[in-house]
Amino acid sequence: DIQLTQSPSSVSASVGDRVTLTCRASQGISTWLAWYQQRPGKAPKLLIHAVSILQSGVPSRFSGSGSGTDFTLTISDLEPEDFATYYCQQASRFPPSFGGGTKVEI
Amino acid sequence: EVQLVESGGGLVQPGGSLRLSCVASGFTFNMYWMTWVRQTPGKGLEWVANIKQDGGEKYYVDSAEGRFTISRDNTKNSLYLQMNSLRAEDTALYYCATYGSGAYRRLFENWGQGTLVTVSS
Repeated sequence: DIQLTQSPSSVSASVGDRVTLTCRASQGISTWLAWYQQRPGKAPKLLIHAVSILQSGVPSRFSGSGSGTDFTLTISDLEPEDFATYYCQQASRFPPSFGGGTKVEI
Repeated sequence: EVQLVESGGGLVQPGGSLRLSCVASGFTFNMYWMTWVRQTPGKGLEWVANIKQDGGEKYYVDSAEGRFTISRDNTKNSLYLQMNSLRAEDTALYYCATYGSGAYRRLFENWGQGTLVTVSS
C-alpha cells in the first residue's frame, strides 16, 4: 500500500499569511493526488484533485503542485475560514490512502 | 444538492454487531460507486469498503475483510455497512461517501456528516 506523509503536522499562521503544506508519497503516484479540507466538526471536503485542479467554488488562493512523490498545497492570503486540517490522498493505486493531515491554526 | 445522511452508530461491546445506513439524495445514486471511510484521532482517515453501482463488486480494507459487509439498495437510494465481530480498534466516525471514477477515480467527492461507532465494554 502507498503511504503518504504530511508535514508539518501543524502550522501556526495569521490571516493574510501564505502557508505551504507538503505531502510525500512512499512511491511514485504521478499526478494522482488530491487535497481535502476538514473544518472542526465537519466532514472532509474535496478541494483539489489531479494535483492542481480546483473543485468548483474553491477560491483561487488555493493552489497545488508536484508530481511523482512530492506535492505541495499552498494557501495564499489566508482567510479565517481556511483555518482547518488538510489531508492529501493518493488515487493512483488501490487501496486509496490518506496522509495524516496538517492542521492550520491561528 | 447532494446529501448523504448516515445513521446506525452507537456504543457496542467487543464482539458485537452494528448496521450502518446511509440515505442519499440530490444525485443519481445508482450511477455511483459508494464507499465507507472512517476517521479516528489516532489513525486519521481510512478507507473501509467500496461497492459498485449494481452491487456486483465489493472491496474491503484488510482489517474489515470477513467481518464487515457493504451493500446497497438502489430502490431506496441507500448504502449499508454490516459490521460484525467488532473490535476496539473499529471505534471511529464512519462516513458514507461517493467514490469516483474516470478523472475522479478513487476520489471521495461527496461526504455525509458521519455516524460514531464506539466499541467498548
